[in-house]
Amino acid sequence: NAGVMQNPRHLVRRRGQEARLRCSPMKGHSHVYWYRQLPEEGLKFMVYLQKENIIDESGMPKERFSAEFPKEGPSILRIQQVVRGDSAAYFCASSGVDGYTFGSGTRLTVV
Amino acid sequence: GESVGLHLPTLSVQEGDNSIINCAYSNSASDYFIWYKQESGKGPQFIIDIRSNMDKRQGQRVTVLLNKTVKHLSLQIAATQPGDSAVYFCAENKAQGAQKLVFGQGTRLTINP
Repeated sequence: NAGVMQNPRHLVRRRGQEARLRCSPMKGHSHVYWYRQLPEEGLKFMVYLQKENIIDESGMPKERFSAEFPKEGPSILRIQQVVRGDSAAYFCASSGVDGYTFGSGTRLTVV
Repeated sequence: GESVGLHLPTLSVQEGDNSIINCAYSNSASDYFIWYKQESGKGPQFIIDIRSNMDKRQGQRVTVLLNKTVKHLSLQIAATQPGDSAVYFCAENKAQGAQKLVFGQGTRLTINP
């Protein structure tokens, strides 16, 4: 079991570009969560998805951010027209009956 | 709103000593609490958890204490080792295995040789 896989590990985007972050959950897990972490801070919940459904997006910014978890393939967190304030580590987690497991994160730098 | 916070942002202890990391939470409806360890450049790693119907749980070199009266959570690490150096977060949830986690700010633990 490879665990939660996130890619890319590091992503650099210029202001105004789009960022696409991918997350493949652990085998057997059907719940996916995205969190954002700023330097020296804790993780902040963004969105909770199950296959083809957004269950809780209370932590997602209203604009420019979207997430999906299609029937086939990884979950995608998309950030359109990135700004410098979007620079952060974005962690994905998946859960099943055995609890939560986090991926290693994608570190987004907006220049 | 819900919040989970930590009392101390940094903690330094001598190798071999015991360490205690504290956490305060505000949501009395939370049923499940978890401690995570995060090393530089890595994702949070599960250490130990506890449900609200318990006040103590022990693992290997770690003990979590829950005081629901004052909404306080602590992580005790016995006989600290250099590999224990990391940032430690507490997190709370309504139930095990589902829904979002609410994280505290974190405590950076440094083990001095």
